Amino acid sequence: DAKTTQPPSMDCAEGRAANLPCNHSTISGNEYVYWYRQIHSQGPQYIIHGLKNNETNEMASLIITEDRKSSTLILPHATLRDTAVYYCIALGKGANSKLTFGKGITLSVRP
Amino acid sequence: GAVVSQHPSRVICKSGTSVKIECRSLDFQATTMFWYRQFPKQSLMLMATSNEGSKATYEQGVEKDKFLINHASLTLSTLTVTSAHPEDSSFYICSARDLVGSGNTIYFGEGSWLTVV
Repeated sequence: DAKTTQPPSMDCAEGRAANLPCNHSTISGNEYVYWYRQIHSQGPQYIIHGLKNNETNEMASLIITEDRKSSTLILPHATLRDTAVYYCIALGKGANSKLTFGKGITLSVRP
Repeated sequence: GAVVSQHPSRVICKSGTSVKIECRSLDFQATTMFWYRQFPKQSLMLMATSNEGSKATYEQGVEKDKFLINHASLTLSTLTVTSAHPEDSSFYICSARDLVGSGNTIYFGEGSWLTVV
């Protein structure tokens, strides 16, 4: 699976949008971009995934560039409970594909 | 989203004993489950891939005789830490692949804290 690169940390103000970037320049055509987050001392929580079209659900929006080499996860109105480590992972569709976690980006939402 | 449950959430065991952690997919069938370990301030490290009805596939450096994995049904996988030592104390997390409901999305359990004393 393709390697992804994320900045180590960022912060944003409560109520504002949080835009979390991810680079995946070596992503292959059959790999999806998945986002998970891990709040301290809990298992990772699935957020969203996409292939090439932008996606939105009740948690977030995912914007994938046309060349698919990068993406941005958008939390439209960040709350204090969104403080977590966010992981961007490229994952193939095959039954043998597996999630490999990097260091992620630590998002701190400030009051 | 789909639900994956782990039990126990916390366990303390004596050095030299074995401890079993269960991982269940509650609302979907999972032919594949994964086991991770996470040490403080580190990322998740994949230990093994568990396939229903067959032997688990272990990542390099993970001792298969120490971390026994059984995936006897489509909704249950177990991890047994044998002859536990204090250095095995960690946060163990399972995940399960939902191939049908959400098209290959992998969901995680709540994690299990193991402390070996």
